[in-house]
Amino acid sequence: ETGVTQSPTHLIKTRGQQVTLRCSSQSGHNTVSWYQQALGQGPQFIFQYYREEENGRGNFPPRFSGLQFPNYSSELNVNALELDDSALYLCASSSGTSGGAGRQQFFGPGTRLTVL
Amino acid sequence: DQQVKQNSPSLSVQEGRISILNCDYTNSMFDYFLWYKKYPAEGPTFLISISSIKDKNEDGRFTVFLNKSAKHLSLHIVPSQPGDSAVYFCAANHQSGTYKYIFGTGTRLKVLA
Repeated sequence: ETGVTQSPTHLIKTRGQQVTLRCSSQSGHNTVSWYQQALGQGPQFIFQYYREEENGRGNFPPRFSGLQFPNYSSELNVNALELDDSALYLCASSSGTSGGAGRQQFFGPGTRLTVL
Repeated sequence: DQQVKQNSPSLSVQEGRISILNCDYTNSMFDYFLWYKKYPAEGPTFLISISSIKDKNEDGRFTVFLNKSAKHLSLHIVPSQPGDSAVYFCAANHQSGTYKYIFGTGTRLKVLA
């Protein structure tokens, strides 16, 4: 069974640029959630995708957008990068949005984004 | 508004002793709680969870206690081992249709050999 994978591992961008981060969910999982973890903070929920549809969004501006593909992999896109977007971006997959087992999320190693 | 709080940024414990990590929450709608462990350069790893219908859940050396009236949960690690040294996050969740987690800010545990 393959766990959650993310690419790239590290990324350096400059202000105003756009970035795309990728996530492959764990085998059998149809739900992907994205989190932003700033230094010294806990992960903050960005949004969740369930069967290719956005299924909830946290307090992030529209320049944070996402996609989920038929194989349940996902992308996080951030436009017009700002210095405060520098963080670890975590992807988590789960088996569904309801039920006990579906509430447990499995995290990937994250992508470290630095905005200069 | 920080709905999940971990008020101790760090904790040091001797190997073999008990580690107690605490977490408080404010939203009474939360009905599922989890603890994750995170090593540097890795994603959070699930440790243990508890539903609000229970007040205790055990898994080996790890026990989570939930006090709903106080809106407080704690993670006990007995006995503590040097490999337990990591950042521990408490997370909460409720059945609103979106299973997002609300995380605390984490407690860095150091187990001294």
